[in-house]
Amino acid sequence: EAGVVQSPRYKIIEKKQPVAFWCNPISGHNTLYWYRQNLGQGPELLIRYENEEAVDDSQLPKDRFSAERLKGVDSTLKIQPAELGDSAVYLCASSLTGRARTEAFFGQGTRLTVV
Amino acid sequence: SQQGEEDPQALSIQEGENATMNCSYKTSINNLQWYRQNSGRGLVHLILIRSNEREKHSGRLRVTLDTSKKSSSLLITASRAADTASYFCATDSQRNNDMRFGAGTRLTVKP
Repeated sequence: EAGVVQSPRYKIIEKKQPVAFWCNPISGHNTLYWYRQNLGQGPELLIRYENEEAVDDSQLPKDRFSAERLKGVDSTLKIQPAELGDSAVYLCASSLTGRARTEAFFGQGTRLTVV
Repeated sequence: SQQGEEDPQALSIQEGENATMNCSYKTSINNLQWYRQNSGRGLVHLILIRSNEREKHSGRLRVTLDTSKKSSSLLITASRAADTASYFCATDSQRNNDMRFGAGTRLTVKP
């Protein structure tokens, strides 16, 4: 079974440019998370989806960040315009949520460098 | 904002020794998960323990959960150099079902 797939693995852009990250969760997983991880720190939750619905986006900087999850499967996270401080690893994870939540599995992440 | 807080921040031991890492959290949880992350790599799931469980084992890993103290511990027995990594706890909050991480414990196992 394929795990969580993210692309691209690496991205270098100039500040003020837009950038998008893509995530394909594990088949059948209805819960999808986006995290941002800075060097030496733990992942910080940006947004969580239950199927197509964003149920918690309180940590998402909405002035420049946006996300969508079409048909409750794949998801994209966009930054426009990017700032130097956005350099980080962006992680996607998925899990199955029914009566109880199963383990959450992570993709390899996208390492973003803004120059 | 972070939910869990790992302790210690860094731990250095000799191969063959046991390593114990602790996680404290603030709000009631549905479950708690432990992850490992090698430098520059993704997060690997280790163990999930539910709020009604007190202990779980997986190979050389032993996780305990004390909901009255809002704390969990991860024990790695007979450590190996390959166990060198950062270890994170993630709590699934009862209040809003969010999964949030602590800052992690950086474990170094010397051969």
